[in-house]
Amino acid sequence: AQTVTQSQPEMSVQEAETVTLSCTYDTSESNYYLFWYKQPPSRQMILVIRQEAYKQQNATENRFSVNFQKAAKSFSLKISDSQLGDTAMYFCAFMNTGANSKLTFGKGITLSVRP
Amino acid sequence: EAQVTQNPRYLITVTGKKLTVTCSQNMNHEYMSWYRQDPGLGLRQIYYSMNVEVTDKGDVPEGYKVSRKEKRNFPLILESPSPNQTSLYFCASSLTGTGHSPLHFGNGTRLTVT
Repeated sequence: AQTVTQSQPEMSVQEAETVTLSCTYDTSESNYYLFWYKQPPSRQMILVIRQEAYKQQNATENRFSVNFQKAAKSFSLKISDSQLGDTAMYFCAFMNTGANSKLTFGKGITLSVRP
Repeated sequence: EAQVTQNPRYLITVTGKKLTVTCSQNMNHEYMSWYRQDPGLGLRQIYYSMNVEVTDKGDVPEGYKVSRKEKRNFPLILESPSPNQTSLYFCASSLTGTGHSPLHFGNGTRLTVT
């Protein structure tokens, strides 16, 4: 079974600074998908970024980028130019490539952006 | 607007009183799923459905039932709720049920069982 570990429960960053959220996972699969989801106080689950394991190039979405290290099974999220609206809980998640798009989530990290 | 709609958003009930949380999607998605979110545990899958009349257990199915009689609807049924089912519930759907199509989440249902 796959596991996803987010070891930092909370982080804080100054507005306009850069912050990196850590995630490691364990799987015996060679191909899979990795995700970062954002959950603001509204509770909505918002997809931030998606990475396919067979793609070596790190995914980027505007101010959000990942550092995907397949051999190390590490998938960290970098948020550049942090904004107050980035304050949220962030979940790292794993999905295998078979049927049943089950997401296996980490415990989440609460990010606070300070003005 | 493409969306997954859950109702109600908030629900307070008592132990043993049957309840249903509805979920509907308007994207003609084949795959639908239910998750529960608990502090310190992230989200865990309860049940999923690959298509009409096809459902299967996720990681934490005990105490829950689902049905998929129509493609757009996937209700979550708690026949006899207990306090340990107090949680935040999410319905999600995707086009194919594989990682190629992203999961769309509903806005969540906060359930409290006293």
